[in-house]
Amino acid sequence: EPEVTQTPSHQVTQMGQEVILRCVPISNHLYFYWYRQILGQKVEFLVSFYNNEISEKSEIFDDQFSVERPDGSNFTLKIRSTKLEDSAMYFCASTPAGADTQYFGPGTRLTVL
Amino acid sequence: DQQVKQNSPSLSVQEGRISILNCDYTNSMFDYFLWYKKYPAEGPTFLISISSIKDKNEDGRFTVFLNKSAKHLSLHIVPSQPGDSAVYFCAASARGQNFVFGPGTRLSVLP
Repeated sequence: EPEVTQTPSHQVTQMGQEVILRCVPISNHLYFYWYRQILGQKVEFLVSFYNNEISEKSEIFDDQFSVERPDGSNFTLKIRSTKLEDSAMYFCASTPAGADTQYFGPGTRLTVL
Repeated sequence: DQQVKQNSPSLSVQEGRISILNCDYTNSMFDYFLWYKKYPAEGPTFLISISSIKDKNEDGRFTVFLNKSAKHLSLHIVPSQPGDSAVYFCAASARGQNFVFGPGTRLSVLP
């Protein structure tokens, strides 16, 4: 069964550095999402992406964040200058056309030191 | 403002008994609800959904009940199995908008 994949599984970075988190959504899906979960807290929506543009974003998704679908298969989340409070699990999800169910990837644990 | 609430952070149930996980929401525009299960170090896995035109949806051991007037939904797992031990998230959306997740309830099924 097709799956959403994410790399790396764990990323450690220094505060102020840029990180790129990568996701490969399920191939025929059209809608893509990023969520994060800070340890011990709820899953929070960051951004949704459709037709090569952001369709919705939350207050968390400020100018430090950007998303891109560079090659038709990958879907990336970039954090330009990481802060300590960006440490979290970041989940990518995708949805096929005409459905609401989101298929989640395994997540990338980001640790900012 | 928490639009989706799961007031029990944890729940313990004996194997074979029923697990009931509750979720309350405040936004009357929500019309589609999902339950996800999450194991440690994994992404959330879709379990079951319900739209506001129904008050019950059943899939094997999992049943979701929706009470629109009370803005309440619940997930019933029967019989509960040790492999059901996980964190369960309720999520809600209004058509065309993104899902809002509850904080989760950790279910422990004791053998």
